[in-house]
Amino acid sequence: SQTIHQWPATLVQPVGSPLSLECTVEGTSNPNLYWYRQAAGRGLQLLFYSVGIGQISSEVPQNLSASRPQDRQFILSSKKLLLSDSGFYLCAWRGTGGAFFGQGTRLTVV
Amino acid sequence: AQRVTQPEKLLSVFKGAPVELKCNYSYSGSPELFWYVQYSRQRLQLLLRHISRESIKGFTADLNKGETSFHLKKPFAQEEDSAMYYCALHGGGSEKLVFGKGTKLTVNP
Repeated sequence: SQTIHQWPATLVQPVGSPLSLECTVEGTSNPNLYWYRQAAGRGLQLLFYSVGIGQISSEVPQNLSASRPQDRQFILSSKKLLLSDSGFYLCAWRGTGGAFFGQGTRLTVV
Repeated sequence: AQRVTQPEKLLSVFKGAPVELKCNYSYSGSPELFWYVQYSRQRLQLLLRHISRESIKGFTADLNKGETSFHLKKPFAQEEDSAMYYCALHGGGSEKLVFGKGTKLTVNP
């Protein structure tokens, strides 16, 4: 069966520091992968999605970037975090039955 | 452009009452519509999708292309239905999966 792993679960980073959140999927090949930010009252905001290795589509211009170095690995990054980057980040992969989500990462920028 | 609108941020009903969570979408092609649910302290999970036309946990949703709606309904709400519900759209010609802002359902005893 397919599983999705996302880490870390929580992260506290100072302003100006870099960020790297990792997401990996097991049990499937060539999945569509997604990064979302979830905020109260704002729902799930699609940040990036990828249909294959090295293929990244950006939905919202901001201080973040994404990369897909391997088929089942999706990374969310930033060179210099801002206070406004604080939030709850979700990784997901899409199969024929719908999307399946990781546990999420609570990022607090201080 | 793909857009999903859930007009109600909060919805409160009593146990045993009918419940309807509204979802409207905007998409020029043939969309795939989904409902996702997030219970307290749990992962976001798929509840149902319009293609399968199934009933999950007593919930149903019908795609109305004329009204561009995909409302989620349940005839008799239960306390365990209290959760955050998200409507989502996957465009047939795109790989984007877009969500609404969600509706927090509270079922009171």
